[in-house]
Amino acid sequence: DQQVKQNSPSLSVQEGRISILNCDYTNSMFDYFLWYKKYPAEGPTFLISISSIKDKNEDGRFTVFLNKSAKHLSLHIVPSQPGDSAVYFCAASPSSLLMDTGRRALTFGSGTRLQVQP
Amino acid sequence: DTAVSQTPKYLVTQMGNDKSIKCEQNLGHDTMYWYKQDSKKFLKIMFSYNNKELIINETVPNRFSPKSPDKAHLNLHINSLELGDSAVYFCASSQARLAGGLQETQYFGPGTRLLVL
Repeated sequence: DQQVKQNSPSLSVQEGRISILNCDYTNSMFDYFLWYKKYPAEGPTFLISISSIKDKNEDGRFTVFLNKSAKHLSLHIVPSQPGDSAVYFCAASPSSLLMDTGRRALTFGSGTRLQVQP
Repeated sequence: DTAVSQTPKYLVTQMGNDKSIKCEQNLGHDTMYWYKQDSKKFLKIMFSYNNKELIINETVPNRFSPKSPDKAHLNLHINSLELGDSAVYFCASSQARLAGGLQETQYFGPGTRLLVL
Protein backbone atom coordinates (compact mmCIF):
# COMPACT_ATOMS: atom_id res chain seq x y z
CA ASP A 1 0.00 0.00 0.00
CA GLN A 2 1.38 3.34 -1.07
CA GLN A 3 1.16 5.80 1.78
CA VAL A 4 2.64 8.63 -0.29
CA LYS A 5 1.44 9.02 -3.84
CA GLN A 6 2.62 11.16 -6.71
CA ASN A 7 0.07 10.47 -9.38
CA SER A 8 1.79 12.36 -12.19
CA PRO A 9 4.85 10.48 -13.38
CA SER A 10 5.91 13.38 -15.57
CA LEU A 11 5.32 17.08 -16.14
CA SER A 12 6.53 19.39 -18.88
CA VAL A 13 6.48 23.19 -18.59
CA GLN A 14 7.96 26.13 -20.46
CA GLU A 15 10.84 28.08 -19.02
CA GLY A 16 9.58 31.03 -16.95
CA ARG A 17 6.21 29.45 -16.20
CA ILE A 18 5.04 27.87 -12.97
CA SER A 19 5.62 24.18 -12.24
CA ILE A 20 3.20 22.54 -9.82
CA LEU A 21 4.00 19.10 -8.48
CA ASN A 22 1.44 17.29 -6.38
CA CYS A 23 1.59 14.71 -3.64
CA ASP A 24 -1.07 12.91 -1.60
CA TYR A 25 -0.65 10.89 1.57
CA THR A 26 -2.85 8.54 3.52
CA ASN A 27 -1.13 8.09 6.89
CA SER A 28 -2.47 10.54 9.51
CA MET A 29 0.69 10.04 11.57
CA PHE A 30 2.75 11.94 8.99
CA ASP A 31 3.34 15.50 10.00
CA TYR A 32 6.63 16.47 8.44
CA PHE A 33 6.91 16.63 4.68
CA LEU A 34 9.88 17.10 2.40
CA TRP A 35 10.60 17.53 -1.26
CA TYR A 36 13.75 16.12 -2.79
CA LYS A 37 15.18 16.70 -6.23
CA LYS A 38 17.11 13.97 -7.97
CA TYR A 39 19.34 14.08 -11.02
CA PRO A 40 20.30 10.84 -12.82
CA ALA A 41 23.09 8.89 -11.11
CA GLU A 42 22.99 11.15 -8.04
CA GLY A 43 21.37 10.91 -4.63
CA PRO A 44 18.22 12.83 -3.71
CA THR A 45 18.98 16.43 -2.75
CA PHE A 46 16.88 18.09 -0.08
CA LEU A 47 14.89 20.99 -1.47
CA ILE A 48 12.31 22.24 1.00
CA SER A 49 10.21 20.95 3.89
CA ILE A 50 7.10 21.82 5.81
CA SER A 51 5.81 20.93 9.24
CA SER A 52 2.13 20.22 9.78
CA ILE A 53 1.75 23.31 11.94
CA LYS A 54 2.19 25.40 8.79
CA ASP A 55 0.30 25.49 5.52
CA LYS A 56 2.98 27.20 3.45
CA ASN A 57 6.75 27.44 3.36
CA GLU A 58 8.77 29.47 0.88
CA ASP A 59 12.40 29.35 -0.11
CA GLY A 60 13.28 31.50 -3.08
CA ARG A 61 11.56 30.15 -6.19
CA PHE A 62 10.21 27.14 -4.29
CA THR A 63 7.03 27.11 -2.22
CA VAL A 64 5.43 24.11 -0.59
CA PHE A 65 1.74 24.16 0.34
CA LEU A 66 0.17 21.73 2.78
CA ASN A 67 -3.54 20.97 3.05
CA LYS A 68 -3.82 18.68 6.07
CA SER A 69 -7.55 18.11 5.80
CA ALA A 70 -7.13 16.89 2.22
CA LYS A 71 -3.84 15.12 3.02
CA HIS A 72 -2.32 16.89 0.06
CA LEU A 73 0.80 18.89 -0.55
CA SER A 74 2.20 20.62 -3.57
CA LEU A 75 5.47 22.14 -4.68
CA HIS A 76 5.39 25.31 -6.76
CA ILE A 77 8.44 26.43 -8.71
CA VAL A 78 8.25 29.96 -10.05
CA PRO A 79 9.74 30.80 -12.46
CA SER A 80 10.77 27.40 -13.77
CA GLN A 81 14.27 27.11 -15.23
CA PRO A 82 15.80 24.42 -17.47
CA GLY A 83 18.16 23.50 -14.59
CA ASP A 84 15.09 22.48 -12.59
CA SER A 85 14.62 19.50 -14.90
CA ALA A 86 14.93 16.47 -12.63
CA VAL A 87 12.84 13.90 -10.77
CA TYR A 88 11.09 15.34 -7.71
CA PHE A 89 10.24 13.09 -4.79
CA CYS A 90 7.74 13.88 -2.10
CA ALA A 91 8.54 12.30 1.28
CA ALA A 92 6.80 12.19 4.63
CA SER A 93 7.70 11.24 8.16
CA PRO A 94 6.07 11.20 11.53
CA SER A 95 7.74 13.76 13.76
CA SER A 96 5.99 13.15 17.01
CA LEU A 97 7.96 14.03 20.11
CA LEU A 98 6.98 10.58 21.34
CA MET A 99 9.05 8.87 18.69
CA ASP A 100 12.65 7.98 19.32
CA THR A 101 15.29 9.49 17.14
CA GLY A 102 16.03 7.19 14.25
CA ARG A 103 12.46 5.91 13.94
CA ARG A 104 11.38 8.66 11.63
CA ALA A 105 12.28 6.98 8.39
CA LEU A 106 10.99 8.72 5.30
CA THR A 107 8.21 7.28 3.19
CA PHE A 108 8.70 8.35 -0.41
CA GLY A 109 6.38 8.81 -3.34
CA SER A 110 7.30 7.36 -6.71
CA GLY A 111 8.55 10.68 -8.09
CA THR A 112 7.53 13.11 -10.84
CA ARG A 113 9.89 13.80 -13.71
CA LEU A 114 9.86 17.54 -14.46
CA GLN A 115 11.06 18.75 -17.84
CA VAL A 116 11.46 22.50 -18.25
CA GLN A 117 11.59 23.45 -21.91
CA PRO A 118 13.80 26.42 -22.88
CA ASP B 1 33.52 18.46 0.77
CA THR B 2 31.01 15.67 0.29
CA ALA B 3 28.58 15.52 3.21
CA VAL B 4 27.44 11.91 2.76
CA SER B 5 29.69 9.67 0.71
CA GLN B 6 29.32 6.07 -0.43
CA THR B 7 31.74 3.59 -1.90
CA PRO B 8 31.72 2.06 -4.37
CA LYS B 9 29.48 3.99 -6.72
CA TYR B 10 29.06 0.97 -9.00
CA LEU B 11 29.26 -2.70 -8.04
CA VAL B 12 28.88 -5.56 -10.50
CA THR B 13 29.18 -9.03 -9.05
CA GLN B 14 28.14 -12.65 -9.45
CA MET B 15 25.29 -14.37 -7.67
CA GLY B 16 26.36 -15.98 -4.43
CA ASN B 17 29.15 -13.51 -3.69
CA ASP B 18 29.45 -11.44 -0.51
CA LYS B 19 29.94 -7.69 -0.86
CA SER B 20 30.03 -4.56 1.29
CA ILE B 21 29.00 -0.97 0.68
CA LYS B 22 30.48 1.77 2.84
CA CYS B 23 28.92 5.03 3.93
CA GLU B 24 30.44 7.99 5.74
CA GLN B 25 28.96 11.32 6.78
CA ASN B 26 30.87 14.38 7.93
CA LEU B 27 27.82 16.33 9.07
CA GLY B 28 28.10 15.33 12.72
CA HIS B 29 24.69 13.66 12.55
CA ASP B 30 23.61 11.04 15.08
CA THR B 31 21.36 8.99 12.81
CA MET B 32 22.14 7.12 9.62
CA TYR B 33 19.93 5.14 7.25
CA TRP B 34 20.05 2.71 4.39
CA TYR B 35 17.40 2.93 1.67
CA LYS B 36 16.88 0.73 -1.37
CA GLN B 37 15.54 2.10 -4.66
CA ASP B 38 13.82 -0.73 -6.43
CA SER B 39 13.04 -1.27 -10.10
CA LYS B 40 9.86 0.81 -9.76
CA LYS B 41 12.01 3.68 -8.46
CA PHE B 42 10.52 3.65 -4.97
CA LEU B 43 12.93 4.51 -2.19
CA LYS B 44 12.29 2.23 0.79
CA ILE B 45 13.85 2.21 4.22
CA MET B 46 15.96 -0.79 5.16
CA PHE B 47 17.77 0.15 8.37
CA SER B 48 18.45 3.07 10.65
CA TYR B 49 21.08 3.53 13.32
CA ASN B 50 21.26 6.13 16.04
CA ASN B 51 24.60 6.56 17.79
CA LYS B 52 25.72 3.12 16.59
CA GLU B 53 22.53 1.46 17.82
CA LEU B 54 20.17 -0.31 15.41
CA ILE B 55 16.77 1.38 15.53
CA ILE B 56 14.85 0.32 12.42
CA ASN B 57 15.18 -3.05 10.80
CA GLU B 58 12.53 -3.45 8.12
CA THR B 59 11.66 -6.81 6.61
CA VAL B 60 14.95 -7.25 4.92
CA PRO B 61 16.50 -10.71 4.41
CA ASN B 62 19.06 -11.50 7.08
CA ARG B 63 21.64 -11.76 4.31
CA PHE B 64 21.80 -7.98 4.75
CA SER B 65 23.73 -6.89 7.82
CA PRO B 66 24.42 -3.27 8.66
CA LYS B 67 27.40 -2.37 10.80
CA SER B 68 28.13 0.96 12.43
CA PRO B 69 31.70 1.19 13.77
CA ASP B 70 31.05 4.79 14.87
CA LYS B 71 28.30 7.32 14.39
CA ALA B 72 29.89 8.73 11.24
CA HIS B 73 29.92 5.39 9.43
CA LEU B 74 27.25 2.89 8.47
CA ASN B 75 28.28 0.00 6.27
CA LEU B 76 26.06 -2.56 4.58
CA HIS B 77 27.26 -6.11 4.12
CA ILE B 78 25.34 -8.46 1.85
CA ASN B 79 25.91 -12.21 1.91
CA SER B 80 25.04 -14.69 -0.85
CA LEU B 81 23.93 -12.06 -3.33
CA GLU B 82 20.83 -12.82 -5.39
CA LEU B 83 19.60 -11.41 -8.69
CA GLY B 84 16.79 -9.58 -6.88
CA ASP B 85 19.33 -7.62 -4.85
CA SER B 86 20.15 -5.57 -7.95
CA ALA B 87 19.10 -2.03 -7.10
CA VAL B 88 20.46 1.35 -6.09
CA TYR B 89 21.28 1.62 -2.40
CA PHE B 90 21.29 5.03 -0.75
CA CYS B 91 22.77 5.98 2.56
CA ALA B 92 21.39 9.00 4.43
CA SER B 93 22.01 10.82 7.68
CA SER B 94 20.00 13.21 9.82
CA GLN B 95 19.99 15.16 13.03
CA ALA B 96 16.75 15.77 14.88
CA ARG B 97 15.89 19.33 15.75
CA LEU B 98 13.02 20.97 17.56
CA ALA B 99 11.18 23.38 15.29
CA GLY B 100 7.46 23.23 15.80
CA GLY B 101 7.68 19.55 16.51
CA LEU B 102 10.60 17.22 16.12
CA GLN B 103 11.95 17.37 12.60
CA GLU B 104 14.67 15.46 10.87
CA THR B 105 15.82 16.35 7.40
CA GLN B 106 17.72 13.49 5.85
CA TYR B 107 20.70 14.08 3.58
CA PHE B 108 21.52 11.43 1.03
CA GLY B 109 24.66 9.99 -0.45
CA PRO B 110 25.12 9.57 -4.23
CA GLY B 111 23.99 5.95 -4.22
CA THR B 112 25.63 2.61 -4.99
CA ARG B 113 24.39 0.87 -8.11
CA LEU B 114 24.53 -2.86 -7.49
CA LEU B 115 24.13 -5.29 -10.36
CA VAL B 116 24.08 -8.99 -9.59
CA LEU B 117 24.68 -11.25 -12.58
